[in-house]
Amino acid sequence: QKEVEQDPGPLSVPEGAIVSLNCTYSNSAFQYFMWYRQYSRKGPELLMYTYSSGNKEDGRFTAQVDKSSKYISLFIRDSQPSDSATYLCAMIGNTGNQFYFGTGTSLTVIP
Amino acid sequence: DTGVSQDPRHKITKRGQNVTFRCDPISEHNRLYWYRQTLGQGPEFLTYFQNEAQLEKSRLLSDRFSAERPKGSFSTLEIQRTEQGDSAMYLCASSSSRVKNEQYFGPGTRLTVT
Repeated sequence: QKEVEQDPGPLSVPEGAIVSLNCTYSNSAFQYFMWYRQYSRKGPELLMYTYSSGNKEDGRFTAQVDKSSKYISLFIRDSQPSDSATYLCAMIGNTGNQFYFGTGTSLTVIP
Repeated sequence: DTGVSQDPRHKITKRGQNVTFRCDPISEHNRLYWYRQTLGQGPEFLTYFQNEAQLEKSRLLSDRFSAERPKGSFSTLEIQRTEQGDSAMYLCASSSSRVKNEQYFGPGTRLTVT
């Protein structure tokens, strides 16, 4: 079983829709949960991160962590064509140094 | 600061040749990571440096791969006797010890082995 599971999609939504992206994980030691955005042939760009459980909001983006279910989500409100990219979740524990990434979900926002 | 930079951006090489990639991290970051990413997959951890010390290596890092970070600044990743399976994007990232989870990536080096 992989440490982090992420549905690869692809996901296609109309402009203005709310997008929900999710990851599940198996290692209960993970404490930091990150979301990255990656455009084609570019390096990943850190969007936001959450420590332990709870929600965090940054503009149109909201990250949620449910440690009891080992499930994390990223919501994008009022999606824009410029949001079209691959979204990667990543995790790390308090003491570890190795980041574990999901496979990424490909998102297309149609104008 | 201009962020993490990597050189070259693209490399095409013939099977059996050696290649070396360079990464310049964000200047105040003491942690540096190398990853490999293939199409449709997330980045896979290869190795990690804190300052000049290489502290972790993945099982993916065969003995044909070697990484260095002299003086704790830039890092190099060398692949000897390249194989077609080495074709991938090689990503470098850096972070500081104080906020280790804020990891910033470079643009990557795309390697094609023919």
